[in-house]
Amino acid sequence: AQKITQTQPGMFVQEKEAVTLDCTYDTSDPSYGLFWYKQPSSGEMIFLIYQGSYDQQNATEGRYSLNFQKARKSANLVISASQLGDSAMYFCAMREGRHSSYKLIFGSGTRLLVRP
Amino acid sequence: NAGVTQTPKFRILKIGQSMTLQCAQDMNHNYMYWYRQDPGMGLKLIYYSVGAGITDKGEVPNGYNVSRSTTEDFPLRLELAAPSQTSVYFCASSFDLTSSKVEGSYNEQFFGPGTRLTVL
Repeated sequence: AQKITQTQPGMFVQEKEAVTLDCTYDTSDPSYGLFWYKQPSSGEMIFLIYQGSYDQQNATEGRYSLNFQKARKSANLVISASQLGDSAMYFCAMREGRHSSYKLIFGSGTRLLVRP
Repeated sequence: NAGVTQTPKFRILKIGQSMTLQCAQDMNHNYMYWYRQDPGMGLKLIYYSVGAGITDKGEVPNGYNVSRSTTEDFPLRLELAAPSQTSVYFCASSFDLTSSKVEGSYNEQFFGPGTRLTVL
C-alpha cells in the first residue's frame, strides 16, 4: 500500500542556513509524483515543488530543491538560505499513477522553526 | 480568479446536528477533493470527484456525504455530527492531466483556506 513517512516531527534551523526535511515513500506503481506543501500558521496549503518519478533531474524552484533518490524511495526537501518566513509545517505528499484520480497521500508533516 | 473558496471559516456544532461545508472553484478544474486535518497530523482524503455527477470515497468517508451537480461546486455534508469529526476541512481542486490546459503544470492541487469545525 502507498505510504508517505516524515520522521522529523520538528526541526530548527538558523536563519540563512540550509535545512533538509526528510520524506520517504512506498509504492509499487512505477509512475508517481511527489509534492511538497507548506502550511504556515495561518493554515493555508501552499504548493512548493514537484518531482515526477520519470524526471531525470532533481526539481528546483527558487530556494527549494528536491533531493530525489529513487532507489532509496526518498524525496527530501532542501531549503537554502532559510528565512524567518519559512517557519511553518511542511508536508510531503504522493500521487500514484496517471489514472488514479490524482489523489494525494500525505505524510504527517515536519514543523520547521527558523531562528534569527 | 478567486481560486478555491470555502464557507464557513469556523463552525461549532452540537453532537447530532447536521451541516454542509461549501466549496467552490472558478478554475474550471475537473477534479475536486475533500480532506480533513486533525491536530498535528497530515491531511486525509474524505471524498473526491472527477467531474460533475461522479464522486467516490477516499480514505475516511464514514459520517460524510458529497454531491457534485456542477463543475464549480463540491459540498460536503455531515449528517449526524460527532466529536470525532472535530477537525479542519480542506477542499482542493486540480486539472485533469490529459487536458490541454495543463501544459507546464504539475497538476498540483489548489487548496481552499479551510473550515475549522468543532463538535461539542
